[in-house]
Amino acid sequence: AQKVTQAQTEISVVEKEDVTLDCVYETRDTTYYLFWYKQPPSGELVFLIRRNSFDEQNEISGRYSWNFQKSTSSFNFTITASQVVDSAVYFCALVNTGGFKTIFGAGTRLFVKA
Amino acid sequence: DTEVTQTPKHLVMGMTNKKSLKCEQHMGHRAMYWYKQKAKKPPELMFVYSYEKLSINESVPSRFSPECPNSSLLNLHLHALQPEDSALYLCASSQPGQGRKNIQYFGAGTRLSVL
Repeated sequence: AQKVTQAQTEISVVEKEDVTLDCVYETRDTTYYLFWYKQPPSGELVFLIRRNSFDEQNEISGRYSWNFQKSTSSFNFTITASQVVDSAVYFCALVNTGGFKTIFGAGTRLFVKA
Repeated sequence: DTEVTQTPKHLVMGMTNKKSLKCEQHMGHRAMYWYKQKAKKPPELMFVYSYEKLSINESVPSRFSPECPNSSLLNLHLHALQPEDSALYLCASSQPGQGRKNIQYFGAGTRLSVL
């Protein structure tokens, strides 16, 4: 069975703090893809990053960084120096090898206070 | 700005009404999706079209009827809905297959209220 767990339901930080959103996944597939999406109050899901199962390189994009560890089945997301505009719901997701069915985690709601 | 456009943004309908949700993309994607999202929940997949053919139907009630008239358009026809069908309906598109192609791009959604 495939499953994505985001144990943190809500996180509240003060602007400029660093924050890490956790994601743990389960799959029997050897080839799979992991995603992070951001959903601001407007509703649209915004694609942030995709990782395939063979690429364990960590990635940094501006204030965002991602840590993918197959050994612990985790794909964590860190925002450095958070800003109010980062306030949103963040979803971690797993896509099977067929590429159609996306398994979403429950989401983590991030509040960044000024 | 999203390249997946959904109309209308908001819709209020009675249980006896018939309405349609529309989704359009011009990225040349050949897979299109409908998701339903209840408040404080993740999106739930409803339907997937690949090359204009229905590929996945996640046991959705027949009061929801999808249609893919061409590779750029996706409709969701609604009839005799129930109040519990009130939700945000999201459309997405992607290229079928592996690699970067399977990134789904989402529209802003239609907020549906069934009275």
